[in-house]
Amino acid sequence: ETGVTQTPRHLVMGMTNKKSLKCEQHLGHNAMYWYKQSAKKPLELMFVYSLEERVENNSVPSRFSPECPNSSHLFLHLHTLQPEDSALYLCASSQDRRYTQYFGPGTRLTVL
Amino acid sequence: DAKTTQPNSMESNEEEPVHLPCNHSTISGTDYIHWYRQLPSQGPEYVIHGLTSNVNNRMASLAIAEDRKSSTLILHRATLRDAAVYYCILRDPLNRDDKIIFGKGTRLHILP
Repeated sequence: ETGVTQTPRHLVMGMTNKKSLKCEQHLGHNAMYWYKQSAKKPLELMFVYSLEERVENNSVPSRFSPECPNSSHLFLHLHTLQPEDSALYLCASSQDRRYTQYFGPGTRLTVL
Repeated sequence: DAKTTQPNSMESNEEEPVHLPCNHSTISGTDYIHWYRQLPSQGPEYVIHGLTSNVNNRMASLAIAEDRKSSTLILHRATLRDAAVYYCILRDPLNRDDKIIFGKGTRLHILP
C-alpha cells in the first residue's frame, strides 16, 4: 500500500466511449503525475501537475484530458480512444517534483 | 538528459546475493542515482538512492563507483518476491523541472 489509489483497476471501452480514470493520494503531496506503460515499452510520462497547476504535457493527444481539482485528486478523461491507447495507466505523487515518487497500482485499459 | 545503461535481464538463485549493474558515464556532479523496481502487475516502487557514498536500507544496498560513472544495486539475499524489473535513474534535485525518465530496466528472474 503506497498511499496512492487508482480506480478502476481494469477498464474496457469502445472507441466511441467516454470514461475517466481516477487517482487519489493520501500522502499530502503537492505533485501528481500520469504515466503510460505500453507492452514492451518503457514508462512514458504524460502529464505533471504541481500545486494543482499543469506544468508539463508531453505531446499527449487531446483525446486524453487531465484534471486536477485539488492536490489529492487527479483524473484522466478519455474520449474517442484508439486501440493503440490500450496500456497500463499509472498515477504517481511526490512531495514536490524533485522528490521520490509513489505510484499507484495502475489502471489496465483495453480499447476495442 | 543523462542516460543509464542496464542489462536487459539477469537471473539469480533464491537466497543468494544479486548484483544489478548500471552504467551512467555522462552523470553530472549534481545527479543522484535512484533505483526503482516494478513488481508484476504493480506500479514502480522506490528502492534506494545515493550521491557518492554507498548506501544501505532495509531493501537493498547501493554501491557507487569512485568516479560515479557506474553503480550496483545489491540485494543481499534474493527471494522470489524480488523478481521484478529494476530501473536505474538519474535525478537532479537542483532542477525544479526534474523528472523521472524510465528506461527498459533489468528484468530480474529468481530461480527457486
